[in-house]
Amino acid sequence: AQSVAQPEDQVNVAEGNPLTVKCTYSVSGNPYLFWYVQYPNRGLQFLLKYITGDNLVKGSYGFEAEFNKSQTSFHLKKPSALVSDSALYFCAVRDTDNYGQNFVFGPGTRLSVLP
Amino acid sequence: NAGVTQTPKFQVLKTGQSMTLQCAQDMNHEYMSWYRQDPGMGLRLIHYSVGAGITDQGEVPNGYNVSRSTTEDFPLRLLSAAPSQTSVYFCASSYLGRDQPQHFGDGTRLSIL
Repeated sequence: AQSVAQPEDQVNVAEGNPLTVKCTYSVSGNPYLFWYVQYPNRGLQFLLKYITGDNLVKGSYGFEAEFNKSQTSFHLKKPSALVSDSALYFCAVRDTDNYGQNFVFGPGTRLSVLP
Repeated sequence: NAGVTQTPKFQVLKTGQSMTLQCAQDMNHEYMSWYRQDPGMGLRLIHYSVGAGITDQGEVPNGYNVSRSTTEDFPLRLLSAAPSQTSVYFCASSYLGRDQPQHFGDGTRLSIL
């Protein structure tokens, strides 16, 4: 079965500093990996995805993610954090069973960017 | 373009009551799904559908029913509400294809007393 781990419940970073939100995965076959962000009282918003190709993926709002096959990781990064980046971040992997359409989500990491 | 619309946004029920959470999408997506979000547990899949007339169970289906009579709508029914079903419920949709991101509604916050 597929699984996703986000080892940090909470990440604190000062505004202007680089940020990293960690994600590791376990999947049979090639991984299809996604990052989502959730602001208070809102649904999840898609940030970026890795399907194949370049290990560094660029997405919305200046975020990027680095895929590392040997470490089975897909860490989310941003060179300079903004206070408005404070939110809940979810990593997800596409299931390989059941039509291959379902997502398996990690537990989420709360990012706080301090002014 | 409305995207994924969920109604109601908030609901309070008594134990044993039934209700239907509505979900509609206007993007002609084949795939639709329902999740529940509980603190520290991420999102857990309840039921999903890969097209009209096709539904299947996810990770936590007990106590919930779904149907998919049209491409646009995917209602979630609570048969007999229990306090353990207090949660935030999200509907999502996407085109078929493993590279397709899912689009989420803004959720229904449900409290069972």
